[in-house]
Amino acid sequence: NAGVMQNPRHLVRRRGQEARLRCSPMKGHSHVYWYRQLPEEGLKFMVYLQKENIIDESGMPKERFSAEFPKEGPSILRIQQVVRGDSAAYFCASSPWLSTGELFFGEGSRLTVL
Amino acid sequence: AQSVTQLDSQVPVFEEAPVELRCNYSSSVSVYLFWYVQYPNQGLQLLLKYLSGSTLVESINGFEAEFNKSQTSFHLRKPSVHISDTAEYFCAVSVTQGGSEKLVFGKGTKLTVNP
Repeated sequence: NAGVMQNPRHLVRRRGQEARLRCSPMKGHSHVYWYRQLPEEGLKFMVYLQKENIIDESGMPKERFSAEFPKEGPSILRIQQVVRGDSAAYFCASSPWLSTGELFFGEGSRLTVL
Repeated sequence: AQSVTQLDSQVPVFEEAPVELRCNYSSSVSVYLFWYVQYPNQGLQLLLKYLSGSTLVESINGFEAEFNKSQTSFHLRKPSVHISDTAEYFCAVSVTQGGSEKLVFGKGTKLTVNP
């Protein structure tokens, strides 16, 4: 059973470009979470999605960031018009349900904005 | 709002020495508590969790954590560390709010085990 798959593992963008990060949850998991990790700051919650629904986007910046989890295909975190401050590791995690609270993490996508 | 505080950002120890990584949480309701470990350039892996029942929980590689409700703590301990335990450790609390359920993480503690 494959784990949570994220791609690309590394992405380099110039300021103003768009970044698209993809996440395929574990088989049978219908809950997806996106977290951002900055040095010395730990993981910050961004968004929680279920198939075709955004459940909680309280951690998403109001502009330039969006996320989706379509009925078919991976979840996508999209960052438009990237700035240097967007450079970070973005982690996706999935869960079949959250009664136990355990999340299964991917290996992350590391975005560098030049 | 529920939050997690990890008091030490870095903890250096020698191999075979005991270690304690501290974690305090703030919550007015029942909590689920977790420790995750992150090795370099990898994602997070669950180390152990407290949901209910016994306040002492253990992992398969010798770590243990004790839920202390009166002190709102969930410190992680290991009596004798190995070089391979070098990693970053994150304490987390499960937060349920308005139909959403998610994990809130502390800032992490980097454990470095030296020979």
